[in-house]
Amino acid sequence: GAGVSQTPSNKVTEKGKYVELRCDPISGHTALYWYRQSLGQGPEFLIYFQGTGAADDSGLPNDRFFAVRPEGSVSTLKIQRTERGDSAVYLCASSLTGHTEAFFGQGTRLTVV
Amino acid sequence: AQTVTQSQPEMSVQEAETVTLSCTYDTSESDYYLFWYKQPPSRQMILVIRQEAYKQQNATENRFSVNFQKAAKSFSLKISDSQLGDAAMYFCAFISNFGNEKLTFGTGTRLTIIP
Repeated sequence: GAGVSQTPSNKVTEKGKYVELRCDPISGHTALYWYRQSLGQGPEFLIYFQGTGAADDSGLPNDRFFAVRPEGSVSTLKIQRTERGDSAVYLCASSLTGHTEAFFGQGTRLTVV
Repeated sequence: AQTVTQSQPEMSVQEAETVTLSCTYDTSESDYYLFWYKQPPSRQMILVIRQEAYKQQNATENRFSVNFQKAAKSFSLKISDSQLGDAAMYFCAFISNFGNEKLTFGTGTRLTIIP
């Protein structure tokens, strides 16, 4: 696609439910990143993929968070047993390789009620 | 670990005037990149300008320029001839050129343009 696409744009879920957030990067970009942006804050790193593998998942806050990128393109961020503190905008970005310009999607706003 | 600090939560400027947004950072590394990103209400982060730490010359992109002071670890953004479309959140960000692929962002500055 022309840009990074994230779906859904908005997601409201009940506390304790499971959610999946999807990211479709720019075609040909091998690097893919997930960030979380809480209200009034800058984005915080969650996980970085190079191809199919998670090269750095040090930003995942706990084991309720998991991300996959099975074919080296689309990625899914999965959150189990959601908590109200998980409410945030989840941003995805991709780049041609690491350290080149990262292009961001419009994010998914997750609200846990 | 790197940190990025933006000490101005909000700034405002008259249309057509010039405004400077401040950013300081802390790192022990010598080779890195610095960025300014713009985030309008659409939430998409848009790259405004990039500076490579080993380059002494300040980066410029049309009405946007930076003042990069490596020794002081300062990286300010100057917007000249401000336009209504410049209104947004602006984030300063850092990335190491050695292995660590993640961007570290500041907390942002909300820029308002006064018509």
